[in-house]
Amino acid sequence: GAGVSQTPSNKVTEKGKYVELRCDPISGHTALYWYRQSLGQGPEFLIYFQGTGAADDSGLPNDRFFAVRPEGSVSTLKIQRTERGDSAVYLCASSSTRGETQYFGPGTRLLVL
Amino acid sequence: EDKVVQSPLSLVVHEGDTVTLNCSYEVTNFRSLLWYKQEKKAPTFLFMLTSSGIEKKSGRLSSILDKKELFSILNITATQTGDSAVYLCVLYNNNDMRFGAGTRLTVKP
Repeated sequence: GAGVSQTPSNKVTEKGKYVELRCDPISGHTALYWYRQSLGQGPEFLIYFQGTGAADDSGLPNDRFFAVRPEGSVSTLKIQRTERGDSAVYLCASSSTRGETQYFGPGTRLLVL
Repeated sequence: EDKVVQSPLSLVVHEGDTVTLNCSYEVTNFRSLLWYKQEKKAPTFLFMLTSSGIEKKSGRLSSILDKKELFSILNITATQTGDSAVYLCVLYNNNDMRFGAGTRLTVKP
């Protein structure tokens, strides 16, 4: 596709459940980023992939959060044992390489009840 | 510690007004400053600024960077209701990027 896509657009789950959020970056973009955005705040960095490897995961809040990008394209953000505080919009972005302009997907709005 | 401060946090104007949004920063190893517009969920790219004093312009929007005083401004002239959004300032250094909290602009008809 022409842009970054994310699925699902909305996800409602119950506390304690496991969720997976998917990101399809722009074709050919080697850098992929995950962010979390709470209401009224700017996006908060979670993790950055260069190719298949997580080059920087310093933003992941705890070990319940994990992300993969096994083939260097699609990435999945996985959240275990969800908590109500995980409710946010999760944004994915890609760029041709690190430091270049990032293009964002539409985000996934996660609501943990 | 690197930081990005945007002001004002929110702004309400009427159609036709001109607005100036501010972004001040402290960052080591500055690489570039970007402005994004965020309407619903996905921020959309507006400008990338790397050099001081060179205005970037796109239609009614323009932006400029001052690397000596460590700030950038985003100007919107003849505002329209479609300009209503959150405008994000983003700093790149050599290693990562840092977002400001954004300025929420509301343009009333």
